[in-house]
Amino acid sequence: LAKTTQPISMDSYEGQEVNITCSHNNIATNDYITWYQQFPSQGPRFIIQGYKTKVTNEVASLFIPADRKSSTLSLPRVSLSDTAVYYCLVGPRAGRRALTFGSGTRLQVQP
Amino acid sequence: DTAVSQTPKYLVTQMGNDKSIKCEQNLGHDTMYWYKQDSKKFLKIMFSYNNKELIINETVPNRFSPKSPDKAHLNLHINSLELGDSAVYFCASSQEGVWPSGPLHFGNGTRLTVT
Repeated sequence: LAKTTQPISMDSYEGQEVNITCSHNNIATNDYITWYQQFPSQGPRFIIQGYKTKVTNEVASLFIPADRKSSTLSLPRVSLSDTAVYYCLVGPRAGRRALTFGSGTRLQVQP
Repeated sequence: DTAVSQTPKYLVTQMGNDKSIKCEQNLGHDTMYWYKQDSKKFLKIMFSYNNKELIINETVPNRFSPKSPDKAHLNLHINSLELGDSAVYFCASSQEGVWPSGPLHFGNGTRLTVT
């Protein structure tokens, strides 16, 4: 199971774009990259998933370079409600998965 | 409608007691999980059931026993509770039987405090 490394915390201001990078040097060929968001007293919530290049949805974008050894979650124009912990997860997209999350990145958005 | 619901939300108990946490999902998913989140916020998988069959059993003391009466329910029973069991326990579900499988859907957790 590919190990991931993320910054422990990040600070930003409302309206700014936030980029959170995750390193996963030993990612396997059949591994996908998935990001989750967790608010206090709630379970993690799926944000976005990708395999290579760029993926965009209504919430975020995910940039994955050709070597796939890292990925960057991009949150456009953050608001106070984006204050949360963000987890990067690497693992097979299907099958019997034993996915353990890392400690995540705590994003604090200031007014 | 709550997709993955767990009860109770809070559980305070003494060492040595036995307790259960219940989980139900109404998403029609075929796979359910129990995760433990410690004070450092690591979320570690404990168990996974696929269509009532145990498929993942990570290194968890045998005081923890999951039970899945049907594929919509996965309960966690803990015997002889210890201080180190204090954590937040999350139930989750996903659809694994098709390709591609879906993301994990989590409940809001049960905060267990053992005194």
